[in-house]
Amino acid sequence: EDQVTQSPEALRLQEGESSSLNCSYTVSGLRGLFWYRQDPGKGPEFLFTLYSAGEEKEKERLKATLTKKESFLHITAPKPEDSATYLCAVQGGSSNTGKLIFGQGTTLQVKP
Amino acid sequence: EAGVTQFPSHSVIEKGQTVTLRCDPISGHDNLYWYRRVMGKEIKFLLHFVKESKQDESGMPNNRFLAERTGGTYSTLKVQPAELEDSGVYFCASSQGASPSYTFGSGTRLTVV
Repeated sequence: EDQVTQSPEALRLQEGESSSLNCSYTVSGLRGLFWYRQDPGKGPEFLFTLYSAGEEKEKERLKATLTKKESFLHITAPKPEDSATYLCAVQGGSSNTGKLIFGQGTTLQVKP
Repeated sequence: EAGVTQFPSHSVIEKGQTVTLRCDPISGHDNLYWYRRVMGKEIKFLLHFVKESKQDESGMPNNRFLAERTGGTYSTLKVQPAELEDSGVYFCASSQGASPSYTFGSGTRLTVV
């Protein structure tokens, strides 16, 4: 069964303190791994798609990397506006649709 | 470009009543998805429409849930009769192609009391 586990559940950082969020997955034939950001009261907002091990994507202070078992979302010198819940999701090879399997998310709080 | 619109944003109903949630996708997006998040759990897939056809409804929990997409435009999700465990946030998302880099709506928070 396809499964996604994110850690830690919650993370508190000081502004400028870099860190990484982890997403471990088991899936039958990875078609894509997705990172989303979710703010309170809003729907998830798409950040990145990674398709194969070794791939990396960057956007401002965020960098996503992918191995055969996990993905990391690295946050460099975070700012308070980076505070949000970060969601990881996978699309498995058994899915012939755009169906995603989500992890529970990591809630990030960045203090000034 | 207008985003994905969902309404109502909140709904409180009694157990046994019927509720209908609506989603208006981004214009021109053929793919429409329903997901939900119940308290303390991860977001889970419910179903996927391509235009007006159900491509995948493997996530629908039981026959109390009925989803429709009239004319391939907006979609409705009806829960009848509602049970306590149906409480949660229901998200709709849409995309142009089948890739899941789709756009989500803000969700409908459903509370069944």
